Amino acid sequence: GAVVSQHPSRVICKSGTSVKIECRSLDFQATTMFWYRQFPKQSLMLMATSNEGSKATYEQGVEKDKFLINHASLTLSTLTVTSAHPEDSSFYICSANPTSSSINEQFFGPGTRLTVL
Amino acid sequence: DAKTTQPPSMDCAEGRAANLPCNHSTISGNEYVYWYRQIHSQGPQYIIHGLKNNETNEMASLIITEDRKSSTLILPHATLRDTAVYYCIVRGLYNFNKFYFGSGTKLNVKP
Repeated sequence: GAVVSQHPSRVICKSGTSVKIECRSLDFQATTMFWYRQFPKQSLMLMATSNEGSKATYEQGVEKDKFLINHASLTLSTLTVTSAHPEDSSFYICSANPTSSSINEQFFGPGTRLTVL
Repeated sequence: DAKTTQPPSMDCAEGRAANLPCNHSTISGNEYVYWYRQIHSQGPQYIIHGLKNNETNEMASLIITEDRKSSTLILPHATLRDTAVYYCIVRGLYNFNKFYFGSGTKLNVKP
């Protein structure tokens, strides 16, 4: 099956610093990738849609200047949490929709645990 | 997108069938029903999806009622490794493939 990887799996940073999370589709191309955030004991919340070669689209209430998304190739999207604060501590998950898929399923990465001190 | 309602938790004995219900009474004609599960601290895993016919794969069966207002995911022989949060998602054809997750059902498979 299609595999999506994320790097790093865990990151701890100081308040005020920026953190970059990578999402890669390993064996397929993805024109569209998605970023989610999940707080403890809560469901996944869609943050934004990452589009290869164009600007990301953000869900209502998500600050685009805070969460910078770059989708530079058909296999890589990055999420940068700028000026991170403790309330940004969360589990960040990406997913990718294969360009060639006829059933539009999404394949999810293993997630990145961000802790901001 | 149609909203989904699922029970917050369910228990199932190991080796028995687990039947997880989902209500999606506001579903429209072009919306698909997808099921994913999330084992603790991992990314969600695709299980199955359908439009209006019942579907079966190596993991599970999906039963969709004739009026499409509800569905049931069936794990025929639950194992301890099936303990997870199961999400039922309704996705429209024209919403650019976005998935909006509800609160899901925590399935506890017990020995």
